[in-house]
Amino acid sequence: GESVGLHLPTLSVQEGDNSIINCAYSNSASDYFIWYKQESGKGPQFIIDIRSNMDKRQGQRVTVLLNKTVKHLSLQIAATQPGDSAVYFCAEKRGTGRRALTFGSGTRLQVQP
Amino acid sequence: NAGVTQTPKFQVLKTGQSMTLQCAQDMNHEYMSWYRQDPGMGLRLIHYSVGAGITDQGEVPNGYNVSRSTTEDFPLRLLSAAPSQTSVYFCASSPWDRRNTEAFFGQGTRLTVV
Repeated sequence: GESVGLHLPTLSVQEGDNSIINCAYSNSASDYFIWYKQESGKGPQFIIDIRSNMDKRQGQRVTVLLNKTVKHLSLQIAATQPGDSAVYFCAEKRGTGRRALTFGSGTRLQVQP
Repeated sequence: NAGVTQTPKFQVLKTGQSMTLQCAQDMNHEYMSWYRQDPGMGLRLIHYSVGAGITDQGEVPNGYNVSRSTTEDFPLRLLSAAPSQTSVYFCASSPWDRRNTEAFFGQGTRLTVV
């Protein structure tokens, strides 16, 4: 089974609100956790990553929080815009170097005008 | 910049046919990989390569072959297509660094096997 999962398949928010997308993981050995965005008809696009020894990392309008105690990861998007509508995947990377990414099943974010 | 280019974008195959999905990147990335994406699911790793001449199996390698003769190209071959291989296929590349978390994906190939 998957070691990276998502709580909700679809999240609907109003434009301008903040969005929070959640992800649970089971493998404590993961080295990095990563968020990807996939727009309709396109390949996934890297958003932000966080190393397992950190608990928070911020980017442009996005913040990723990592709670290792409960094995939970979240992506917060501030002032959600219509262009944020997409499927968001969390992924994990175990070990350094050669290892590939393991993706969760995705959450669809719908931004209502 | 072209980035990662996949061809074809769409393909319909009959059961038992073979074909090659092409993937090329112009970023001189060492690491390349193939994923498949099925409806409502995340991406599952088929095969990956850490450099020319080196390939390895991922999570779902059965029914697929790969080779990496150059840094730029990483074709995926379906030897005898089956309906279970109907999916969207993504190729990705990334530079070789300790993190190796930022993969650059192609636009995908939507494959239907009838």
